[in-house]
Amino acid sequence: QSALTQPASVSGSPGQSITISCTGTSSDVGGHNFVSWYQQYPDKAPKLMIYDVTNRPSGVSDRFSGSKSGNTASLTISGLQSEDEADYYCSSYTTSSTHVFGSGTKVTFL
Amino acid sequence: QVQLQESGPGLVKPSETLSLTCAVSAASIGGFYWSWIRQPPGKGLEWIAYVSGRGGTNYNPSLKSRVTMSIDTSKNQFSLNLGSLTAADTAVYYCARCGEDCYTIDFWGQGTQVTVSS
Repeated sequence: QSALTQPASVSGSPGQSITISCTGTSSDVGGHNFVSWYQQYPDKAPKLMIYDVTNRPSGVSDRFSGSKSGNTASLTISGLQSEDEADYYCSSYTTSSTHVFGSGTKVTFL
Repeated sequence: QVQLQESGPGLVKPSETLSLTCAVSAASIGGFYWSWIRQPPGKGLEWIAYVSGRGGTNYNPSLKSRVTMSIDTSKNQFSLNLGSLTAADTAVYYCARCGEDCYTIDFWGQGTQVTVSS
């Protein structure tokens, strides 16, 4: 299974909205509504931010939202804040009952 | 809230087998799926495998020939064995909970660094 495709980096100004894409195939992103997004700071474990494409775990800011169209899922961060600077990874359950992660996107301020 | 703690050797030799254990607290291990994920230095996340509370397993196809996962409900812990190690297996290894149906990896351990070197 190949890693899902994400842009290497996305930049934005404080207060702006940014969107990170995650492109897979009909065997993963397009085959299920089980796409998750994770936030990771340097030398820290990933933190679940979105699950089942659109759902936020308790305690995650509503500035984070998810969507999906076909084989591409997206994470939108609205009202960009300094603490949002981090790496973000998507993940999908697959039709083979395995998991596959995206290549990762670094979010930075302009 | 569930907590996970990895343990194992920080340094292993090429061609040897890596054995890692994950101790779970504040949750009964039998009712969920549990997973291992790794992250090579400066690179992205790679899913390795999962095990169910009943012992059923599934592995990343690219690692399947070298990986074994097991679960010990009496000790509330699960384990990973990865054989025929090379330098490419150097990574931070995370254990994580995979939920009741394993559709979402939700809670993660802090990770343990494993270096493969002679």
